Amino acid sequence: AQKVTQAQTEISVVEKEDVTLDCVYETRDTTYYLFWYKQPPSGELVFLIRRNSFDEQNEISGRYSWNFQKSTSSFNFTITASQVVDSAVYFCALSEPSLGDYKLSFGAGTTVTVRA
Amino acid sequence: NAGVTQTPKFQVLKTGQSMTLQCAQDMNHNSMYWYRQDPGMGLRLIYYSASEGTTDKGEVPNGYNVSRLNKREFSLRLESAAPSQTSVYFCASSEALNTNYGYTFGSGTRLTVV
Repeated sequence: AQKVTQAQTEISVVEKEDVTLDCVYETRDTTYYLFWYKQPPSGELVFLIRRNSFDEQNEISGRYSWNFQKSTSSFNFTITASQVVDSAVYFCALSEPSLGDYKLSFGAGTTVTVRA
Repeated sequence: NAGVTQTPKFQVLKTGQSMTLQCAQDMNHNSMYWYRQDPGMGLRLIYYSASEGTTDKGEVPNGYNVSRLNKREFSLRLESAAPSQTSVYFCASSEALNTNYGYTFGSGTRLTVV
């Protein structure tokens, strides 16, 4: 079963629009970690954020913000006032350390295209 | 620079050929991983090594073998390459739970099997 679902395959916006990427996860553990990664056209994976299951406080970093809601098992990511440089594939991922290892389970990714 | 180094960056193989993808990390991490990335499927775990001396299968291990040579190095071997193994391969490492818990990824190997 898919542990991380990113239902949006592709999103296309015009520069300065806001973009929200959905991430829904599934786990039976009480301790887990959620991540977001960015993969620009150059191909490397860029770490954006890590959130543990005990910290539901939303976070803002510049134009990026994250909304973590345990009640709906969601960890959504918003880009405010998007820029062309935000064009990338964005991955949400889940780690469940109580399973005895630290494997990351990735969603399928959302491709964001920001048009000038 | 500290990080995860993968070699080679690009490779073209003929069906049936074998090759080994190399991965080394210099952060003294215990755990290392091999993922493959295919369009529309995200990154899927092939094999991982929770600590030196141990390896375990991930989600898509068929057609691959791994070796955790020492704490730094974790190699992925394709014994008889198939077109279905055309993909981008990422190696990663991580440390156990701590305040800096996270994963470091290599820059990837783009493999084409013809």
